[in-house]
Amino acid sequence: DSGVTQTPKHLITATGQRVTLRCSPRSGDLSVYWYQQSLDQGLQFLIHYYNGEERAKGNILERFSAQQFPDLHSELNLSSLELGDSALYFCASSVHPDRGRETQYFGPGTRLLVL
Amino acid sequence: AQSVTQPDIHITVSEGASLELRCNYSYGATPYLFWYVQSPGQGLQLLLKYFSGDTLVQGIKGFEAEFKRSQSSFNLRKPSVHWSDAAEYFCAVGAGSQGNLIFGKGTKLSVKP
Repeated sequence: DSGVTQTPKHLITATGQRVTLRCSPRSGDLSVYWYQQSLDQGLQFLIHYYNGEERAKGNILERFSAQQFPDLHSELNLSSLELGDSALYFCASSVHPDRGRETQYFGPGTRLLVL
Repeated sequence: AQSVTQPDIHITVSEGASLELRCNYSYGATPYLFWYVQSPGQGLQLLLKYFSGDTLVQGIKGFEAEFKRSQSSFNLRKPSVHWSDAAEYFCAVGAGSQGNLIFGKGTKLSVKP
């Protein structure tokens, strides 16, 4: 158990809908990262928040957004869902970003299926 | 651009045999390198990491990896594989100022009894 929690574990929805994925980082961690894992793209970095502020963006679609709240939990919002958004979404946390050397601890993921 | 290549998509080894999973990276500065393992239906678990110093690093579950700057490689090894090692293995490099990880496509390991 990494100490990172994600809810829900599974999510099935229809095209055009909107969903929210939730992540609680390890106690004491200020950084939260979101990654998408799909068969064709592999593990792709989406977005990074540090202590409530957006730190970096990766391959995140405009239909996707995220935020980190004062209690440090984070939510990833996916809207106007398409079939291709079906994937496993991981959250990871670390104490703070340190030029890529900080160990990131991953949650169990949320498996999203868009029908 | 920074990238990680894992040349082997799928490897099958017999239980008790040795294992080497290959990883090559492309990164302009000193790389921070990681190996993660993902069991079916699970998240990613850190096996080991390299930041600096000794180029042979030890990890959990009996794994080790060797950093070779001249070959831009960070191969993962285990002297004797157990059936419970069957999983997917990901090599990653820390992406500098952004803080995120850049992952390879992964190598799926199957273990024959």
